[in-house]
Amino acid sequence: EAGVTQFPSHSVIEKGQTVTLRCDPISGHDNLYWYRRVMGKEIKFLLHFVKESKQDESGMPNNRFLAERTGGTYSTLKVQPAELEDSGVYFCASSQGVSTGRLNTEAFFGQGTRLTVV
Amino acid sequence: RKEVEQDPGPFNVPEGATVAFNCTYSNSASQSFFWYRQDCRKEPKLLMSVYSSGNEDGRFTAQLNRASQYISLLIRDSKLSDSATYLCVVIDSLRGYQKVTFGTGTKLQVIP
Repeated sequence: EAGVTQFPSHSVIEKGQTVTLRCDPISGHDNLYWYRRVMGKEIKFLLHFVKESKQDESGMPNNRFLAERTGGTYSTLKVQPAELEDSGVYFCASSQGVSTGRLNTEAFFGQGTRLTVV
Repeated sequence: RKEVEQDPGPFNVPEGATVAFNCTYSNSASQSFFWYRQDCRKEPKLLMSVYSSGNEDGRFTAQLNRASQYISLLIRDSKLSDSATYLCVVIDSLRGYQKVTFGTGTKLQVIP
């Protein structure tokens, strides 16, 4: 079974440009999460989708970040325009929904997209 | 108060030592707990689940203390390969969906 995949693995862009990160969760996982780790800091939550709906976007740093999950499958995270402080590793994770009756479900992570804004 | 808190470390321990990490959580209704391990420049990977009765996997023991709202991870006979950041993860089930919250991570460095 394929795991969570993220694309691209690395991206180097100039300040002011736009970048779109993509995450394909494990098939059938309702929950999709975006996290970010800035150099030297902890992993921080960005937002959470349940199927196609944004359940919690309290971690989105500002309106330069836009996440979508059309059709409840893959998700994109767009940064426009990118700033230097946006550099970091962006992780996506997915987990099954509670509707499956399984509460002790782990979250599976993608390998992350390393974003460098220069 | 943060929802999930860990001592960031770093913990520098010699090979063969026993080391323990704690993680506190703020929501008394939290239901599921995990320890993840993250190696440098890699994604977090599940190390072990934490059950109410405690669980052990080789040199690793995880325990849950609901009364004091913390979970712990004990590593015995530390190996160089145990060097990594250990993340505490708490899952809450809220209004029909899951919320996954990470701790800040505790960095472990095992020294020869």
